[in-house]
Amino acid sequence: AQTVTQSQPEMSVQEAETVTLSCTYDTSESDYYLFWYKQPPSRQMILVIRQEAYKQQNATENRFSVNFQKAAKSFSLKISDSQLGDAAMYFCAYRTLEFTSGTYKYIFGTGTRLKVLA
Amino acid sequence: GAGVSQSPSNKVTEKGKDVELRCDPISGHTALYWYRQSLGQGLEFLIYFQGNSAPDKSGLPSDRFSAERTGGSVSTLTIQRTQQEDSAVYLCASSSRTTGQGYGYTFGSGTRLTVV
Repeated sequence: AQTVTQSQPEMSVQEAETVTLSCTYDTSESDYYLFWYKQPPSRQMILVIRQEAYKQQNATENRFSVNFQKAAKSFSLKISDSQLGDAAMYFCAYRTLEFTSGTYKYIFGTGTRLKVLA
Repeated sequence: GAGVSQSPSNKVTEKGKDVELRCDPISGHTALYWYRQSLGQGLEFLIYFQGNSAPDKSGLPSDRFSAERTGGSVSTLTIQRTQQEDSAVYLCASSSRTTGQGYGYTFGSGTRLTVV
């Protein structure tokens, strides 16, 4: 079974600095998607960035970028020029496709709480 | 609607009572998921609905949990005889066949259930 591990329960970063959140996963599949979701105090889960496993190029969305190492099964999120609004819980997620039922199941890590210091 | 709507936002109930949580997905989204987020835990898959197909109930933790989706739209998650360990945030998400393929879900803001 697939697993997603986020080993950093909490991280802090100074405003305008850069921070990297770690995520590792385990799977026997060769093709899959990986995601980072942000959950602010409002509880609304917001998609930050996604990565297709078959693409070697790391995904980038403005100040957010990933370091995807497929062989190492690592998928870290880098936030550049951190802003106070980045403070939230960040979840790493793996998407599997269950061919038998056509179900797209997501497996989430336990999250990393990011604090941004003014 | 414009987004996934969940109600109530917060629910406090006494142990042993039944509760119903509602999810109204984005109009036209055929797939609907329920997840449970306990304190310090990741999101735990509960149940998945896709169109008119039989739901995938493999994540429901016990027979006290059930869910239905009427008319392929609104879904209700019911927890019978609530226990304190049921206290959590229950998140609903929806996606279309197209946008679900690697584009992630759209989540609601969840219902925080507290069993006292």
